[in-house]
Amino acid sequence: SQKIEQNSEALNIQEGKTATLTCNYTNYSPAYLQWYRQDPGRGPVFLLLIRENEKEKRKERLKVTFDTTLKQSLFHITASQPADSATYLCALDGQGAGSYQLTFGKGTKLSVIP
Amino acid sequence: DGGITQSPKYLFRKEGQNVTLSCEQNLNHDAMYWYRQDPGQGLRLIYYSQIVNDFQKGDIAEGYSVSREKKESFPLTVTSAQKNPTAFYLCASSTQGSNQPQHFGDGTRLSIL
Repeated sequence: SQKIEQNSEALNIQEGKTATLTCNYTNYSPAYLQWYRQDPGRGPVFLLLIRENEKEKRKERLKVTFDTTLKQSLFHITASQPADSATYLCALDGQGAGSYQLTFGKGTKLSVIP
Repeated sequence: DGGITQSPKYLFRKEGQNVTLSCEQNLNHDAMYWYRQDPGQGLRLIYYSQIVNDFQKGDIAEGYSVSREKKESFPLTVTSAQKNPTAFYLCASSTQGSNQPQHFGDGTRLSIL
């Protein structure tokens, strides 16, 4: 069956360092992958989308990579700030290419320590 | 401002009672979704609708029902058949197309009295 794993439930990092979050998947052939941020008691907010034919995508201090051979996406936040503390979710098109549905990972809770 | 509004923020249900969660969007999105989020678990899809008057079951539809009579509205009813309804419920919407970002409301937390 299809499976998504975000390798850490929680990640603590010092302010100013680069945070790297991992999303691995098995039994999938996703056409794209999305990353969301979720604050406590709030809905997720879309951050970035990367397609299977893209190796890397950047937006301000955020960078996402997508390696379809390793079946892995890495999400980087450079020069991290306490305001970056949140849970980060990865999501893939759960039913294969062309699907409206997303399948979400359980998330990684990032804490940036001043 | 455009967005998705979920109400109420907190909802309490008695055993054997049906409750309806509201979701309204003014983003002019065709597609709408309902998810359930439990502690330590990812979002799980309950129902989704790609167009008015049409909807499909997601992975955990049992004990839930929806309607899509208007483009802006996608209410979710948690029926008494749902044996473990306590959870955080999230509504989302997106434009047509398979790789569109989803825009979420701020959720309704349902608890059983």
